[in-house]
Amino acid sequence: EVHLLESGGGLVQPGGSLRLSCAASGFTFSSYAMSWVRQAPGKGLEWVSAVASDDNTYYADSVKGRFIISRDNSKNTLFLQMNSLRAEDTAVYYCAKRWHSSGWFDAFDIWGQGTMVTVSS
Amino acid sequence: DIVMTQTPISLSVTPGQPASISCKSSQSLLHSDGKTYLYWYLQKAGQSPQLLIYEVSSRFSGVPDRFSGSGSGTDFTLKISRVEAEDVGVYYCMQAIHLWTFGQGTKVEIK
Repeated sequence: EVHLLESGGGLVQPGGSLRLSCAASGFTFSSYAMSWVRQAPGKGLEWVSAVASDDNTYYADSVKGRFIISRDNSKNTLFLQMNSLRAEDTAVYYCAKRWHSSGWFDAFDIWGQGTMVTVSS
Repeated sequence: DIVMTQTPISLSVTPGQPASISCKSSQSLLHSDGKTYLYWYLQKAGQSPQLLIYEVSSRFSGVPDRFSGSGSGTDFTLKISRVEAEDVGVYYCMQAIHLWTFGQGTKVEIK
């Protein structure tokens, strides 16, 4: 069974850093692009960042220069290093698997359960 | 950036009655490969989003046939032919032609 499990969320002060992890299982992790999508409390979904199977990375303008996405294919794990955190980064962060292993324009077919990040003093 | 706009924001439906949600994109989602990269998700309370419809009108695996999608270019619609209690939640459209952007969501509840 395909499964994604996020961890690393918590409470952090404005300006601080946090590293999220997403452990993947049940599929050939290295073959798939992966993304982070966040959801602020009571709000909608916002795509944050993606890393392709060739390690190319992509970011939303709202996090560019502050967040770094990476992957460790040997450990089937996706990461999101979040720096210079702001109150508006407070959200549940989901990791999501791209549906198909080839091509680029595609949906996310599998999502984790999410990890909560709260940025507050 | 492509902006996705959904209407209505919320919908209250009697079980067994139809429901319709509109999604408009600020740019055409038709790619030169002939495909249109518009998707629909349902997020039930306390759960992660689940894929319902891909490329405008194709149902994802396991999605009941009461769900249907239509549209082209910049205007799209999700229809539920007969709403059931399990269809309650927030529906999002998403574009995938230029990175990814979601609509603001439409909350569907049962009367």
